[in-house]
Amino acid sequence: AQKITQTQPGMFVQEKEAVTLDCTYDTSDQSYGLFWYKQPSSGEMIFLIYQGSYDEQNATEGRYSLNFQKARKSANLVISASQLGDSAMYFCAMREASGGSNYKLTFGKGTLLTVNP
Amino acid sequence: EAQVTQNPRYLITVTGKKLTVTCSQNMNHEYMSWYRQDPGLGLRQIYYSMNVEVTDKGDVPEGYKVSRKEKRNFPLILESPSPNQTSLYFCASSSGLAGVEQYFGPGTRLTVT
Repeated sequence: AQKITQTQPGMFVQEKEAVTLDCTYDTSDQSYGLFWYKQPSSGEMIFLIYQGSYDEQNATEGRYSLNFQKARKSANLVISASQLGDSAMYFCAMREASGGSNYKLTFGKGTLLTVNP
Repeated sequence: EAQVTQNPRYLITVTGKKLTVTCSQNMNHEYMSWYRQDPGLGLRQIYYSMNVEVTDKGDVPEGYKVSRKEKRNFPLILESPSPNQTSLYFCASSSGLAGVEQYFGPGTRLTVT
């Protein structure tokens, strides 16, 4: 079974509107972390936001917020007021405490977001 | 500026010709890792290192070697590259604390013909 599932291969949004990118995860660990990364066409991986499994508040970073629903095992990324520069591939990733000293991130397959003017 | 650097950024080579992709970080991070990214598969871990002289296999280590002789450097070695190793490679580093982001290098696009 996939540990990180991103069900939307592609998404379109109008400039200045909000968009939600879905991510569900599968783990039996009590302690884990969830990350979102952005990969523009230039290829680099840009860290956006982090949510710890014990964090009670949803994480926010500027226009990015993470809608964390622990019981449903979902960690959706919400981008408010989309900008043309938000067009990119977005990856959800998880780090599990059971990885021990390996801080491996397990990635989903990504969602390609296109922002239309 | 805190960063992870990789060289080369682009490489086209032939089957069987040994190559090394270098990775260096200037943040004094203990943890370093290599990932490969393939279309439709996301990123998968190749090898990781918790500190100098401490390395271990990730999910897809076959055909790769690594070394960690200095804290800042973590080269990826392909002793005999094959076409199925054509991929986009990322080096990443982290302080090792839970919840701390991993910093990624700019990526190395490797083509093996």
